[in-house]
Amino acid sequence: KAGVTQTPRYLIKTRGQQVTLSCSPISGHRSVSWYQQTPGQGLQFLFEYFSETQRNKGNFPGRFSGRQFSNSRSEMNVSTLELGDSALYLCASSPLERGAKVYEQYFGPGTRLTVT
Amino acid sequence: SQKIEQNSEALNIQEGKTATLTCNYTNYSPAYLQWYRQDPGRGPVFLLLIRENEKEKRKERLKVTFDTTLKQSLFHITASQPADSATYLCALDSNYQLIWGAGTKLIIKP
Repeated sequence: KAGVTQTPRYLIKTRGQQVTLSCSPISGHRSVSWYQQTPGQGLQFLFEYFSETQRNKGNFPGRFSGRQFSNSRSEMNVSTLELGDSALYLCASSPLERGAKVYEQYFGPGTRLTVT
Repeated sequence: SQKIEQNSEALNIQEGKTATLTCNYTNYSPAYLQWYRQDPGRGPVFLLLIRENEKEKRKERLKVTFDTTLKQSLFHITASQPADSATYLCALDSNYQLIWGAGTKLIIKP
């Protein structure tokens, strides 16, 4: 099976702009999670989608949003970019079934976002 | 407050020896705990998952223990190799999401 893919891999944006990142999960995985990773904060959970529904959301401002399509592909959007949004954004898919609690996550290579 | 802690300093181990990494947590009652490996510039890679009712789990040269009384998990790599050098992250479940430790950088010296 193909792994999790993320596009683009690298992105440079200016403060105030908005950005959309894309994630294609492993075939058959319906759960997709997004994380922000920075050297100082480690992996921070953004949100998780399962069958097009957002089930969990981390402590990020409303500028961070996401969605999932019927084919499980997911996008996340960051509006009004700030310098502090510079980070590695990781997408992970999981073979989690609805109601199940135990799951492992399979990560994509990430999108490196630099805000200048 | 809830915390999950891993050794923040790098761990230097001689090739062939056993590397042991620690993951401690407070104010959580996870049903399971996971370990991942992350190489620079890449996403984490899933290694092992251990449930709260399991004391130990093994996979090839890897071994994980989970002590819910001590609120601690130990991750062992036996017969370590330079290729095992990476950052290792632990994660536990809380309210149907994973909470991550900051990771421990492991360096295996030839």
